[in-house]
Amino acid sequence: DGGITQSPKYLFRKEGQNVTLSCEQNLNHDAMYWYRQDPGQGLRLIYYSQIVNDFQKGDIAEGYSVSREKKESFPLTVTSAQKNPTAFYLCASSDRPGVTNEKLFFGSGTQLSVL
Amino acid sequence: ILNVEQSPQSLHVQEGDSTNFTCSFPSSNFYALHWYRWETAKSPEALFVMTLNGDEKKKGRISATLNTKEGYSYLYIKGSQPEDSATYLCASMTTDSWGKLQFGAGTQVVVTP
Repeated sequence: DGGITQSPKYLFRKEGQNVTLSCEQNLNHDAMYWYRQDPGQGLRLIYYSQIVNDFQKGDIAEGYSVSREKKESFPLTVTSAQKNPTAFYLCASSDRPGVTNEKLFFGSGTQLSVL
Repeated sequence: ILNVEQSPQSLHVQEGDSTNFTCSFPSSNFYALHWYRWETAKSPEALFVMTLNGDEKKKGRISATLNTKEGYSYLYIKGSQPEDSATYLCASMTTDSWGKLQFGAGTQVVVTP
């Protein structure tokens, strides 16, 4: 089945620790995105990538880093510089970036909590 | 309107009743408006992507309208069923934020039998 796989489903971070959230897609989509959800707020864009080896900061990129070495993979690292990392993280992808009628396909999310 | 706003935040509907709710978005430099349905413990799924003023989309009992000049979209559910229970998200894209969708906080719909 084609889709987006996020892992792990739950993740705990200790103080000063970097953690990496995995996102893999087998939809052959060019664009991939990372969103963060906090209670009562809309999804906020962290980083996005429209092509391999290229990515752009979203609205809340501070304290996060990404890489896009392969088309199917877009891992997100939450660094120790992110002081409030507890949130639900969603990865998404879309085909043909820049075409306005292209919908997003989402993974099932990772809940990150701080110990 | 600078942000995407959805109202109400939540609503309870009796099975069989129809309902509707609103998404307000920046009307200037409008590019596209997306609607997603997010059921508990599942991934958000796209319902509609709308780009033209006056556009109307329909999928089964769910339909949406779009007014880009005044910056709002309505989502309608006709004859609500328990399986319609979900959070409905809208997101807009403008020409000066090309490629970046801005999401509202969602409307949570609970349909009771």
